[in-house]
Amino acid sequence: AQKVTQAQTEISVVEKEDVTLDCVYETRDTTYYLFWYKQPPSGELVFLIRRNSFDEQNEISGRYSWNFQKSTSSFNFTITASQVVDSAVYFCALSETTDRGSTLGRLYFGRGTQLTVWP
Amino acid sequence: DAGVTQSPTHLIKTRGQHVTLRCSPISGHKSVSWYQQVLGQGPQFIFQYYEKEERGRGNFPDRFSARQFPNYSSELNVNALLLGDSALYLCASSYTTGSGNTIYFGEGSWLTVV
Repeated sequence: AQKVTQAQTEISVVEKEDVTLDCVYETRDTTYYLFWYKQPPSGELVFLIRRNSFDEQNEISGRYSWNFQKSTSSFNFTITASQVVDSAVYFCALSETTDRGSTLGRLYFGRGTQLTVWP
Repeated sequence: DAGVTQSPTHLIKTRGQHVTLRCSPISGHKSVSWYQQVLGQGPQFIFQYYEKEERGRGNFPDRFSARQFPNYSSELNVNALLLGDSALYLCASSYTTGSGNTIYFGEGSWLTVV
């Protein structure tokens, strides 16, 4: 069964610090997708990144970077030089696939990490 | 282009009542999914619809039902509301159910059952 674990419930940092949010997943699928979403207090889940299981290259987008390690089933998210606007709940999610390789649009979410960035 | 839109944004219902939540996907998206997010938890999958057919259902009681219309918009219905149904209900859309589709979420409908 698919499972996503975000062990860090809350993280507090001071502006300009770097912070890493951890995500560990479990799946029996050989093809799967991993996502990160940001949820501000308004409630909307804002898409940040999608990564498929065959692409282990790390990715950088501005102050955001992601480290995907299949060997440890982890997909960690780092914010460099954090800002107050980064304060939100961050969710890691896993999507399953059918035996024909299509996702079902069903995401399995972790419990989220509340990040607070203080000025 | 408009994102995923949901209505109403906030509502309060009494136990035992019925509620209908509405969702319009991103233009061109044919797949709609519904998620329930209770306070302090990650979203939990309720339903997925594609081309007006149910393609997946999560572990929710039969009080929960949904449908998708020809224009790909969707409704989530919950009957006989319980206090535990109080949650943020999120709608998500994607182009198809195919591999690699990014799933986009709306701002959600905050339901309080009293």
